[in-house]
Amino acid sequence: SAVISQKPSRDICQRGTSLTIQCQVDSQVTMMFWYRQQPGQSLTLIATANQGSEATYESGFVIDKFPISRPNLTFSTLTVSNMSPEDSSIYLCSVFMGESYEQYFGPGTRLTVT
Amino acid sequence: AQTVTQSQPEMSVQEAETVTLSCTYDTSESDYYLFWYKQPPSRQMILVIRQEAYKQQNATENRFSVNFQKAAKSFSLKISDSQLGDAAMYFCAYRTFSGTYKYIFGTGTRLKVLA
Repeated sequence: SAVISQKPSRDICQRGTSLTIQCQVDSQVTMMFWYRQQPGQSLTLIATANQGSEATYESGFVIDKFPISRPNLTFSTLTVSNMSPEDSSIYLCSVFMGESYEQYFGPGTRLTVT
Repeated sequence: AQTVTQSQPEMSVQEAETVTLSCTYDTSESDYYLFWYKQPPSRQMILVIRQEAYKQQNATENRFSVNFQKAAKSFSLKISDSQLGDAAMYFCAYRTFSGTYKYIFGTGTRLKVLA
């Protein structure tokens, strides 16, 4: 398994500002993922972040709104830009580990936009 | 496209009793993985159990076991001797065997454990 940490664990932000969420893994991984989990909902994949290449975004998510960096094999950041109350969610990073590509998740960042 | 359905938004179980959470899925693929994830109130998602579709034997992890019915496309989770710490949201997830890395998650079942 992997130990994954995220910073910050929670934040309250003003409308129109940006927040950068950090994800740190205790081992080198090729693929890292960012999910959004809106209150009481399931997980929605935002994008896949591979080291050394541009992130791949899912339908409905764009780079201008959710820029992602992946500078090395243990770290990634997700920025939520020009925030609105609709961005209030839990943001989770995850990685694949194991022969079955099991997915392991960070503890999440709870974002509230006022 | 694959879909995952969890028809029970909420379930309750008495401590020490057994509960079964339902999950059905739709796919045209023959090889795939199925997972159950647990998300406690602290919100860290934890892998509970994994099932490979090519394996006929149902997966078991301590008090957690699955009933995998491939023909019926059903993948239920049985929790035996329920404990207060089992209270959480449980998500069923599907992943294709090869190629795409994407997981498809169900909408979740909130499990309450009553003392």
